[in-house]
Amino acid sequence: EAQVTQNPRYLITVTGKKLTVTCSQNMNHEYMSWYRQDPGLGLRQIYYSMNVEVTDKGDVPEGYKVSRKEKRNFPLILESPSPNQTSLYFCASSFFLGAGYEQYFGPGTRLTVT
Amino acid sequence: TQLLEQSPQFLSIQEGENLTVYCNSSSVFSSLQWYRQEPGEGPVLLVTVVTGGEVKKLKRLTFQFGDARKDSSLHITAAQPGDTGLYLCAGASNTGNQFYFGTGTSLTVIP
Repeated sequence: EAQVTQNPRYLITVTGKKLTVTCSQNMNHEYMSWYRQDPGLGLRQIYYSMNVEVTDKGDVPEGYKVSRKEKRNFPLILESPSPNQTSLYFCASSFFLGAGYEQYFGPGTRLTVT
Repeated sequence: TQLLEQSPQFLSIQEGENLTVYCNSSSVFSSLQWYRQEPGEGPVLLVTVVTGGEVKKLKRLTFQFGDARKDSSLHITAAQPGDTGLYLCAGASNTGNQFYFGTGTSLTVIP
């Protein structure tokens, strides 16, 4: 089954404790992206990657890191999480179809930082 | 940041009614997508529109991209309870690499 998987689905952590949210896709997509979703603000793009070893900042990259060492994986790293990073996080992947990207989203990771 | 404003923010209608959701911006987008999101799940792509003035139909859903590629609308005919969900528009930057989402329209269709 074609899908984007994220782990963990739920995470409660404390301020300053490094964490990684994994994202994996089995569709051989070149493009992958991370978003956060907050009430009243919609989804905001954190980082995206056009292909292996190519990453770029989205709209809200502060406090986050990513890496793309393999085509299928795109982990999101919070080196020193803070309470304002409490949010619902989504990973997405896509082929570039010429007319644009048709993104497939993972199920989300709900992160709480206390 | 390229802002996309959606209206209305909330919509509650009876089954069988028609509705239109609007997605507006002062920025030009290379393409625009509409997604539907259900509670506890990620957004699911409904359609991508690329050309200014383009109209696409998906069963009872009609999507239109503005001539200037700054705005879009989603029209649902004869809404059904299964249409209930959060509808999101997303514009792609000129490079096509970055996406800017609207804040969403929460639709409830009452049987």
